[in-house]
This record gives sequence, structure tokens and C-alpha cells, in this order.
Amino acid sequence: DQQVKQNSPSLSVQEGRISILNCDYTNSMFDYFLWYKKYPAEGPTFLISISSIKDKNEDGRFTVFLNKSAKHLSLHIVPSQPGDSAVYFCAASDGYGGATNKLIFGTGTLLAVQP
Amino acid sequence: DSGVTQTPKHLITATGQRVTLRCSPRSGDLSVYWYQQSLDQGLQFLIQYYNGEERAKGNILERFSAQQFPDLHSELNLSSLELGDSALYFCASSGGGTIKETQYFGPGTRLLVL
Repeated sequence: DQQVKQNSPSLSVQEGRISILNCDYTNSMFDYFLWYKKYPAEGPTFLISISSIKDKNEDGRFTVFLNKSAKHLSLHIVPSQPGDSAVYFCAASDGYGGATNKLIFGTGTLLAVQP
Repeated sequence: DSGVTQTPKHLITATGQRVTLRCSPRSGDLSVYWYQQSLDQGLQFLIQYYNGEERAKGNILERFSAQQFPDLHSELNLSSLELGDSALYFCASSGGGTIKETQYFGPGTRLLVL
């Protein structure tokens, strides 16, 4: 059973436009969410996180939105740049309060930013 | 460069064999995590060690085992290998043992079981 789902395997966006990557989860106990970016032949790199007490967190061009009632989060990249082309993984945990250290990852979305 | 190193980068072996994957965490990090990424799958958490002790366990098969040594490097042992064990294996490290701390990933070891 996939507790964290990224239903779009790929997304193509023009340079300068907004990229929106989506993630759905099923476990209502999740209280901490993260996005990782992965380039080919490299390990994932942490991008941004949000705890369940917030509904938005921003870091430069990257913003994560959390809709707890819909069990949905999204990552917005504005403006998109060709260097943003990578696989983006959504991850979740119910360990923000210290109960666990496990991260549950989605299957990833390949973002291609066209020049 | 995350500062986490994994060896070897690639490994080709046969079914039934045993292999050892090695991970050196970032300097000063006490926690090591192991993940498996199979084809078209997300990263599956296997196990976490913190300062030499097992801290959390995920979907790790009984044929797999891990340990963290006094110098904090970690090894993941995979035995009685099956075709389905072919995957990318990532190691990550963090300073402490809580989920709030960023996990820094190594480049991975690609295992192919023939």
C-alpha cells in the first residue's frame, strides 16, 4: 500500500513559468513532509520541508503548500529554471514529535524545464 | 557533494551470493540510514543506526543486515541474493537521530543480481 503517492511521473514546463508538483498521502498521522530533488547518478538532496502545524513554507523560489484536510501537498517552483530539471521526491513522516525516524517516500516526478 | 561516501558504486553478482555495501557518513554525523530504490519505486527505508545502535527499522528483509562501527561508518550486508534485490541502495546521514534533521544522501550503490 503506497502511503505517499506522486501520480504524475513526469512534468514539462517552460523556463520562467511556474512548476507545480503534487503529492497525496493516506496516513493522517503524518506530521512532517519533505521534498527532495535528485539528479542522475547522484543521491537525493533535501529541498524544503513543512510540519503539519503550518500550511505553507517558503524558501526562495520554492514554496510548499500543505492541505491537511485533503491530505495533499504541493511544491511550487517560481520561476522555473533549466537547472531545476530533476526527479522530485515527496516524503512524509509521523515522527515530528519524536515517535519515529522513518521517512516514507513517493515514487517521484521527473521535471523537465524547457529553455 | 553531500559528504557521504558509498562504495562500491556498482556491483554485479549472481543469485545466492552475499555482498557488503559500505557507507561513510558526513564528518560529525552520528546517524546513518539505509534506503533501497527498486525500478519505478520510491526510496524504501530499510534501517537506521545512531551512534552504533539500531534506532529504527523499516521493511528490511531477514536476509539483509546492517551495522554501524565505532568510527561511525556503516555496512549493509545482503545475503542469499535474489533477482529482485537488484536496486539502488542509498545511505544517508544526519547529525542526530531525529526526523527533523536533514538527511544527506550518498550517491548510491547500484546492485545488479544476475
